[in-house]
Amino acid sequence: AQSVTQPDIHITVSEGASLELRCNYSYGATPYLFWYVQSPGQGLQLLLKYFSGDTLVQGIKGFEAEFKRSQSSFNLRKPSVHWSDAAEYFCALQPPDSWGKLQFGAGTQVVVTP
Amino acid sequence: ETGVTQSPTHLIKTRGQQVTLRCSSQSGHNTVSWYQQALGQGPQFIFQYYREEENGRGNFPPRFSGLQFPNYSSELNVNALELDDSALYLCASSSPPGQSYGYTFGSGTRLTVV
Repeated sequence: AQSVTQPDIHITVSEGASLELRCNYSYGATPYLFWYVQSPGQGLQLLLKYFSGDTLVQGIKGFEAEFKRSQSSFNLRKPSVHWSDAAEYFCALQPPDSWGKLQFGAGTQVVVTP
Repeated sequence: ETGVTQSPTHLIKTRGQQVTLRCSSQSGHNTVSWYQQALGQGPQFIFQYYREEENGRGNFPPRFSGLQFPNYSSELNVNALELDDSALYLCASSSPPGQSYGYTFGSGTRLTVV
């Protein structure tokens, strides 16, 4: 069975500091992987996605993620956090033959302090 | 290019009632997926509609049903509402593989069952 685990429920980071959010997945092959951000009361905005190829993926808002097959991970990073990055972040998996059917992790809440 | 529009934004219903939520897909997208996001959790896949047919369902009972119309808009219907159905319901539209392969989420409908 497939699954997505985000080990950190809550992360607090200072503005200007770096941020790394962890995502581990369980799937028999290489899935499609996504990171979404959700601000309070809002829908989901796609930050970046990985289908194949280069394992370092660049996204919007200065985010990047690295796919590591050996570790079944797809961690999200940002070198310098802005106050506007405070939000909930979700990692999601999709089997390549099941487009439109995403499986999400439980999310990581990011708090940015001055 | 319009995004995904969901209506209503908020809704309060009584246990046992029925509810219909609506979603207008993004222009050029012919697939709509519905998700339920309970408070503090990641979204859970309910079902997907492609060319007016259900194309996959998650672990939700039959009282969750849907429709897709020729213009690719969609409805989610929930009968015999239970308190646990209180959640944010998200709709996502997408284009078939080989195209932009993106998912666009709406801002959701917040359903409260009392």
